[in-house]
Amino acid sequence: EPEVTQTPSHQVTQMGQEVILRCVPISNHLYFYWYRQILGQKVEFLVSFYNNEISEKSEIFDDQFSVERPDGSNFTLKIRSTKLEDSAMYFCASRETQNSGELFFGEGSRLTVL
Amino acid sequence: KNQVEQSPQSLIILEGKNCTLQCNYTVSPFSNLRWYKQDTGRGPVSLTIMTFSENTKSNGRYTATLDADTKQSSLHITASQLSDSASYICVVAGGYNKLIFGAGTRLAVHP
Repeated sequence: EPEVTQTPSHQVTQMGQEVILRCVPISNHLYFYWYRQILGQKVEFLVSFYNNEISEKSEIFDDQFSVERPDGSNFTLKIRSTKLEDSAMYFCASRETQNSGELFFGEGSRLTVL
Repeated sequence: KNQVEQSPQSLIILEGKNCTLQCNYTVSPFSNLRWYKQDTGRGPVSLTIMTFSENTKSNGRYTATLDADTKQSSLHITASQLSDSASYICVVAGGYNKLIFGAGTRLAVHP
């Protein structure tokens, strides 16, 4: 069964360092998303991406965050200068169409900022 | 304000018992409602998706209901198993199919 894959599964970094989280969405999907989940809290939307550009972003997705799809398969989330409060699980998700259909989540990347 | 509220926050049941989780929403316009299962430290996995015209949908031992008039949904789990221990998240899709997540109900099934 096709799945969304994410790497790394866990990353520990020092405050102020840059982090890149990688995702490989399901191959025929066109809409891509990043969500985060701080420990014990609800899943929060960060950004959606379609046709090689951001279609929507939340207030959380400030100038420290960026996304790109450099090679047509990987979908990356970059945090330029990590803060302690960026510690969370980051989930990538994809779906085939925008208006219906199942949203498939990856297993997540746990980011720990020290 | 678009919100999704779930109850109870947590629940403990014995293996083999049934349980029902609740979801109330104030999302408008409404596109669809989804239930996800999230094992600890894992990504959410879709259980059901229901549109406005559907009022019940089953997936094995999971049965979701939707009352679009009262803006309520429930997830009923039959004959619970230890592997059902997880968080169950209600997600409502609003305008432009934007997803609004509930905080989840943490279910623990004990032997």
